[in-house]
Amino acid sequence: GENVEQHPSTLSVQEGDSAVIKCTYSDSASNYFPWYKQELGKRPQLIIDIRSNVGEKKDQRIAVTLNKTAKHFSLHITETQPEDSAVYFCAASVGQNFVFGPGTRLSVLP
Amino acid sequence: GAGVSQSPRYKVAKRGQDVALRCDPISGHVSLFWYQQALGQGPEFLTYFQNEAQLDKSGLPSDRFFAERPEGSVSTLKIQRTQQEDSAVYLCASSLGVQRGNQPQHFGDGTRLSIL
Repeated sequence: GENVEQHPSTLSVQEGDSAVIKCTYSDSASNYFPWYKQELGKRPQLIIDIRSNVGEKKDQRIAVTLNKTAKHFSLHITETQPEDSAVYFCAASVGQNFVFGPGTRLSVLP
Repeated sequence: GAGVSQSPRYKVAKRGQDVALRCDPISGHVSLFWYQQALGQGPEFLTYFQNEAQLDKSGLPSDRFFAERPEGSVSTLKIQRTQQEDSAVYLCASSLGVQRGNQPQHFGDGTRLSIL
């Protein structure tokens, strides 16, 4: 079945710097790749997603890139702010289900 | 409310007791998913409903876990004879359509289950 790996597991950046989180997946049939942000004790919230027919998508300070050949996709956050601190999960769809990565804990230091 | 609602938010049970967790999806959402999230891990798929039909239950860890969605709206996840390894956050998510794996899922706040 699908396997999703995510790196790094923890990431600390200075406020204003950029953060990059990378994920790889194993099932070449996967065609939808969402990213979720989860603050402590709260629900995962969708922040951006990308479909397999697109290589890049941007929404303000957040962007996602997808390389289908290499089976990896990345989340880019620019001009980080303290409120960006959270755990970020990538996911890949296989069938109707999502397979999630293990998460990246991002800390933005003021 | 507009979002996915789960209850209770916290549940403490003694080992061996049965528990029932409720999920109220976004109105009109056809697809409903249950996930188990262990501390420090990503959500892991348990089961999937399309309307009232349970189309995939491959993620349920044992026959002690049972889920239903009898009228295609509210869903209940039941765990019988709970064990300590069942302690986790149980997340429910819903999505609008039936297109396979190609639509955003919207999550509830989860139920944090602690088995003593």
